[in-house]
Amino acid sequence: AQKITQTQPGMFVQEKEAVTLDCTYDTSDQSYGLFWYKQPSSGEMIFLIYQGSYDEQNATEGRYSLNFQKARKSANLVISASQLGDSAMYFCAMREPFKTGANNLFFGTGTRLTVIP
Amino acid sequence: NAGVTQTPKFQVLKTGQSMTLQCAQDMNHNSMYWYRQDPGMGLRLIYYSASEGTTDKGEVPNGYNVSRLNKREFSLRLESAAPSQTSVYFCASSAIGVSYEQYFGPGTRLTVT
Repeated sequence: AQKITQTQPGMFVQEKEAVTLDCTYDTSDQSYGLFWYKQPSSGEMIFLIYQGSYDEQNATEGRYSLNFQKARKSANLVISASQLGDSAMYFCAMREPFKTGANNLFFGTGTRLTVIP
Repeated sequence: NAGVTQTPKFQVLKTGQSMTLQCAQDMNHNSMYWYRQDPGMGLRLIYYSASEGTTDKGEVPNGYNVSRLNKREFSLRLESAAPSQTSVYFCASSAIGVSYEQYFGPGTRLTVT
């Protein structure tokens, strides 16, 4: 069963506007973590933001915030005041902890965001 | 502080050839990972190493072997490359703990003809 679903293959946003990238997840664990990564055209994976399942407040990192709705199993990324440099692929990922302490990240298929000047 | 480094950046192999992808991290992380990324898909875990001296299979381990050489280095070996292994390979590392993000290397683009 797919653990992470990103239903928006591509999104467009006007520069300086806000945009929401959708992510839903599936898990029966009580303890889990959700991550968002950015992959620009150069190919590297850049960590953006993390939300733990027990965190009561939505995570924020600068212009990034994570809209965490636990009952709906959604973890949408909100980017405020979009910039041209935000154009990239965005991946939602869920941590599945191994007993060893390492973590497997299950990734969604990504959303390609294009910021229009 | 280079973070996670990978070599080579690009590689073309013929079917049946073997090669080793190298990965090193200088962040003193215990855990290291190998992922592959195929077009239109997210990253999928091939193998991981929770700590020095241990390795375990991930989601898509068939056709690969790994070696955790020491705490810094984690290599991925293709013994007999197949066209289905054409992909971009990412190495990552993390500290042990539930909230620690994984830091990724720049990736290796591998083509098998």
